Amino acid sequence: DVKVTQSSRYLVKRTGEKVFLECVQDMDHENMFWYRQDPGLGLRLIYFSYDVKMKEKGDIPEGYSVSREKKERFSLILESASTNQTSMYLCATLGQLFEAFFGQGTRLTVV
Amino acid sequence: DQQVKQNSPSLSVQEGRISILNCDYTNSMFDYFLWYKKYPAEGPTFLISISSIKDKNEDGRFTVFLNKSAKHLSLHIVPSQPGDSAVYFCAASDKSGAQKLVFGQGTRLTINP
Repeated sequence: DVKVTQSSRYLVKRTGEKVFLECVQDMDHENMFWYRQDPGLGLRLIYFSYDVKMKEKGDIPEGYSVSREKKERFSLILESASTNQTSMYLCATLGQLFEAFFGQGTRLTVV
Repeated sequence: DQQVKQNSPSLSVQEGRISILNCDYTNSMFDYFLWYKKYPAEGPTFLISISSIKDKNEDGRFTVFLNKSAKHLSLHIVPSQPGDSAVYFCAASDKSGAQKLVFGQGTRLTINP
C-alpha cells in the first residue's frame, strides 16, 4: 500500500510567517505534487517535481516555493504567509498506472 | 482557464438509485481520465480511470463513460449507497506530455436514505 504522509493535519500561522509543509512517500515514486483545495475551485496545482532537485510550476505558484532534496520528500514553502493562503493543502505522488496517491491533507489557517 | 469542468456543484440521489456525475474537458490532448472520491478531512482516493482508446470502463458499482467527440465523461454509480456520499473529482492527463493531473471543481454527492 502506498503511503503519502503529510507532517501536519492542522496548522495555524500568523500573517508574514514562513511556513513549511512536509510530505513524505514510501513507494519510490518519481513524480510528486502539491495541490490546494478550495470550495468551488477544486484541486489546483501549485508545484510538481519529477525528480530530485527538479521542480516545475503548476497553475498557481505565486507565493510558494518547493524543495525536493530527497526522492521521498517534497516540501512546500510559503515564504510569507497571507490570509488568502488559508486552504487545504494536498500532497500527491503518481503511480505507474497514472493514478495519484494523496496524503491526508493539511488544513492551514493564516490569521 | 478551466480545462476540466464539473458544472454541478452538488447532486442529491435516493439510496438504491443511479448517481450520474458529469465532467467536461477542453484540451483535446488529454488521453487519460480518472475519478477520485474525497471525504471531509481526508485526501482524495482513486476510484476508476479510463483511457481515451476506450469508451467505457466498469468496476463493480462504478462505470465511467467517455465520449471523445463531445469531450465529456460521466461516472455512474449503481446502486447508490449512503457511503457514497462524498465529493467526487474528475481528473485528466496528457500522458505523453507533462505527467500531471488537471482536476475539476468537484461535485458533492449526497445519498439520501
